[in-house]
Amino acid sequence: QLVESGGGLVKPGGSVRLSCAASGFSFNDAWMTWVRLLPGKGLEWIGRIKNKGDGGAADYSSPVKGRFTISRDDSRSTLYLQIDSLRTDDTAVYYCATVRGAGTFDYWGQGALVTVSS
Amino acid sequence: DIQMTQSPSSLSASVGDRVAITCRASRPISTYLNWYQWKPGKAPHLLIFAASSVRRGVPSRFSGSGSGTDFTLTISSLQPEDFATYYCQQSYNAPYTFGQGTKVEIK
Repeated sequence: QLVESGGGLVKPGGSVRLSCAASGFSFNDAWMTWVRLLPGKGLEWIGRIKNKGDGGAADYSSPVKGRFTISRDDSRSTLYLQIDSLRTDDTAVYYCATVRGAGTFDYWGQGALVTVSS
Repeated sequence: DIQMTQSPSSLSASVGDRVAITCRASRPISTYLNWYQWKPGKAPHLLIFAASSVRRGVPSRFSGSGSGTDFTLTISSLQPEDFATYYCQQSYNAPYTFGQGTKVEIK
């Protein structure tokens, strides 16, 4: 099970940190990803983070690189997404998911809505 | 980046109809193609991976085909719970891009 939290209404230029609490599987071994659903535009891949055994590195899509940071705390079985310098076009539902292989997204959370507005 | 183009963007169908959704990649991706179902307020759900492998627990009325650049998701007999938006996604290389979605509505 994956449960996102931390969404809400944020002003442009602000920051938000989303959490994704995992249970029911070995989080330590999992690669994890974030995907967002943009209103009227569909799904957009944000990035992924490998497990520590595979190096633990994160990689990102070009549109979010530099403003978005994915991290993980294996001791808490929790995935994070830090978003800085928020813009109105970051308004979306943010989903975390497990990764099968390198780029197949197996199990998803219910999503966290982030609304960026003044 | 690899661009994914779905068609149609929406369709109206009746319960029992056979429905086909196509997805085209901007360059060959072998069979690195997944299909997801999304309903408002719910988590997206992986249906098909590797172009034609049906995920465990997914009803057998769902099937996938194709390789290279052209792919198809077929629902053999549409059921009430299948009215949703469907997305294709390439897992060939990062960034992992999605199609724009196909909304299946009740006729």
